[in-house]
Amino acid sequence: AQSVTQPDIHITVSEGASLELRCNYSYGATPYLFWYVQSPGQGLQLLLKYFSGDTLVQGIKGFEAEFKRSQSSFNLRKPSVHWSDAAEYFCAVGPSGSARQLTFGSGTQLTVLP
Amino acid sequence: DGGITQSPKYLFRKEGQNVTLSCEQNLNHDAMYWYRQDPGQGLRLIYYSQIVNDFQKGDIAEGYSVSREKKESFPLTVTSAQKNPTAFYLCASSTSTATEAFFGQGTRLTVV
Repeated sequence: AQSVTQPDIHITVSEGASLELRCNYSYGATPYLFWYVQSPGQGLQLLLKYFSGDTLVQGIKGFEAEFKRSQSSFNLRKPSVHWSDAAEYFCAVGPSGSARQLTFGSGTQLTVLP
Repeated sequence: DGGITQSPKYLFRKEGQNVTLSCEQNLNHDAMYWYRQDPGQGLRLIYYSQIVNDFQKGDIAEGYSVSREKKESFPLTVTSAQKNPTAFYLCASSTSTATEAFFGQGTRLTVV
């Protein structure tokens, strides 16, 4: 069975600092991997996705993620965090992009200090 | 603008009552989904529908019901059989060859 672990429940960074959110997955084949962001009381917005090819994926809002098969990881990074990045971030894995087959992590809450 | 509209944004229910959450999409997507989100947990799939007049149970379907009479609409009914209905509910949709899901803004249901 597929699974996703986001080890950090809550991360606090200062504005302008770099950010890395961790995501580890368990899946038997090459997975489809996603990062979503959720602002308070809002739905989820797709930041980026990986299916195949280049293991470094660029997304919206200046985010990127790197797929590392050997480590079963898909960590999200941003070189300089903005106050508007404060939100909850979810990693998801599945055999395709179909929402019925996705398994979501429990989320990482990001706080940005001024 | 194309998108997914969920209504209402906030909903209060008395114990023992059924309530229906609305989800409408104008993206012309074939597939639609309902998720439940609880604090500190990821999303859990309640029901999904790949085509009109057909739907399947997800991981936590007990106490919920759905219908799919129109392509653009996928309402969710939270019945009195759902023992712990207070949660944030998210509707999503995707194409039949989906590579990603699009989400609505959610409905927060509170039992009072």
